[in-house]
Amino acid sequence: DQQVKQNSPSLSVQEGRISILNCDYTNSMFDYFLWYKKYPAEGPTFLISISSIKDKNEDGRFTVFLNKSAKHLSLHIVPSQPGDSAVYFCAAYSGAGSYQLTFGKGTKLSVIP
Amino acid sequence: DTAVSQTPKYLVTQMGNDKSIKCEQNLGHDTMYWYKQDSKKFLKIMFSYNNKELIINETVPNRFSPKSPDKAHLNLHINSLELGDSAVYFCASSPSTSTIQYFGAGTRLSVL
Repeated sequence: DQQVKQNSPSLSVQEGRISILNCDYTNSMFDYFLWYKKYPAEGPTFLISISSIKDKNEDGRFTVFLNKSAKHLSLHIVPSQPGDSAVYFCAAYSGAGSYQLTFGKGTKLSVIP
Repeated sequence: DTAVSQTPKYLVTQMGNDKSIKCEQNLGHDTMYWYKQDSKKFLKIMFSYNNKELIINETVPNRFSPKSPDKAHLNLHINSLELGDSAVYFCASSPSTSTIQYFGAGTRLSVL
């Protein structure tokens, strides 16, 4: 039972264009969402997060949008750079004090120079 | 000065053996985790310790036993290894006041 779904296993984007990575969730108890970035042979590293009380959070080239009614979030990267090529994981927490992070399967982003 | 370090990075072993993976964090965090990433690429929580107390214990065979000798260390011992245990195991840590977890580089376990 996948509570966090990333339905696109891969995405290719030209350098300088926008990358949009999507994530859907089924558990209405999730109230905090994170994006992690992972390079080969490394662990995931935190990228950006958003609380369920917000619908947008921005950090430099990275923006996360949350649509609670649709149980959908997306990560926008503008402009995309070759160094952004990695696997991006969407993850979610449920409830204050919860230590359990539920991950999606990841989307492999390739930014073509 | 790696924040979360796991050893070994690679582990190749035979079925039936017992092995351990070690994890150490120098971030001063009080919560540590073990995750398994299987062939389907899902990262799934296995265990979590907060201040050396077990707080998450997902449905994992009891051949897997975590041990936290202190807040900075969380080791994973696996008995009677099976083919299906082949995966990448990630250790992570976080302060209990934050939702952000910091991951180690992973241990790739191959059971032959």
